[in-house]
Amino acid sequence: GENVEQHPSTLSVQEGDSAVIKCTYSDSASNYFPWYKQELGKRPQLIIDIRSNVGEKKDQRIAVTLNKTAKHFSLHITETQPEDSAVYFCAASLNDYKLSFGAGTTVTVRA
Amino acid sequence: DVKVTQSSRYLVKRTGEKVFLECVQDMDHENMFWYRQDPGLGLRLIYFSYDVKMKEKGDIPEGYSVSREKKERFSLILESASTNQTSMYLCASSFPTGAATNEKLFFGSGTQLSVL
Repeated sequence: GENVEQHPSTLSVQEGDSAVIKCTYSDSASNYFPWYKQELGKRPQLIIDIRSNVGEKKDQRIAVTLNKTAKHFSLHITETQPEDSAVYFCAASLNDYKLSFGAGTTVTVRA
Repeated sequence: DVKVTQSSRYLVKRTGEKVFLECVQDMDHENMFWYRQDPGLGLRLIYFSYDVKMKEKGDIPEGYSVSREKKERFSLILESASTNQTSMYLCASSFPTGAATNEKLFFGSGTQLSVL
């Protein structure tokens, strides 16, 4: 099955700086890569996703890039704010509804 | 707005007990999932169902079973609870694959299960 590795496990950034989280996947046939954000005590929620036919996608301060050759994808958060503090999970799937998640990255934005 | 409701937020059970975790969604989603969330391990898929009475094993099905008698309800069953099943359990639902919408998962609030 698909194996997704996520780094770093924790990330502390100064408010206003950028944050980058990287994930690698094992199955070259995977074609859907979402990112979920889980605030403390809350349920995970989809924040952005990308499909394998696109190299980059942006939504306001967040962006995701995909390198199919290297089998890795990254989440970029610019101008970080305190409300960006959360656990972020990457995931990958192969054209079906079964997502394989990374272990998560705890992001702390320091004021 | 999609609502995925899990019956209990916190649950404490004893080793060997049979445990039922219930999940209900109100958006007529075909797909439903049970994940467990453990620190440092992320979200791991236990079982999923793509239709009523259908079920498929996820990555860690051992010690669990599921039931989907109605489209809106998906139950996770621990036949004989053990201490290593202490965890946060998350239910989720989604539209079927190939629909105009993507495979976006809608999660419930989770059930923190402690097995003593």
